[in-house]
Amino acid sequence: NFMLTQPHSVSESPGKTVTISCTRSSGSIASNYVQWYQQRPGSSPTTVIYEDNQRPSGVPDRFSGSIDSSSNSASLSISGLKTEDEADYYCQSYDSSNVVFGGGTKLTVL
Amino acid sequence: EVQLVESGGGLVQPGGSLRLSCAASGFTFSSYAMSWVRQAPGKGLEWVSAISGSGGSTYYADSVKGRFTVSRDNSKNTLYLQMNSLRAEDTAVYSCAKTIPNRIINWGQGTLVTVSS
Repeated sequence: NFMLTQPHSVSESPGKTVTISCTRSSGSIASNYVQWYQQRPGSSPTTVIYEDNQRPSGVPDRFSGSIDSSSNSASLSISGLKTEDEADYYCQSYDSSNVVFGGGTKLTVL
Repeated sequence: EVQLVESGGGLVQPGGSLRLSCAASGFTFSSYAMSWVRQAPGKGLEWVSAISGSGGSTYYADSVKGRFTVSRDNSKNTLYLQMNSLRAEDTAVYSCAKTIPNRIINWGQGTLVTVSS
């Protein structure tokens, strides 16, 4: 089984851009799609990116996803930060028999 | 509108058992795989188990394999999680989730399971 490692926390100012990384411990990041979920306090997670870089309808284009095979990692970028973006963000991928979540990153918009 | 409503959580002693249920509505239940995901207090998300739409295939995280059993009743639009030999580290909010291959598209609000003496 592999692990997905995220930074514990990141912070940035409103209007700026932040990038959250998600590094796969073994196996290629490109071999299985990566999803990103947003979880606000007291709420269930919602999908902000699926299949590496696809945005569900209703998610603003300020959210974007990418993968980098050289670092074996995926990234979630949020531009034009708003205070409402403050939340926990989780990456997620899978292999043949397991679904794996990253440990989560707390985004603070200050 | 997709609705997923979990029930069956509560306080149980270490070594005990509990069965969670998830009532689904707003979609063709039998057409979708379903998952259980848990979140310990103040911690991150952990995938627990998944089951195919027909119920013929099941999958488990190593941490629960041999102790938990996932099942579904498509005639009742209900998902289940039978949890045996519960441990303190199983304490978490357990949520059911509508799943398409390898990603979650809808989440329930969850039910709290507390394992403590």
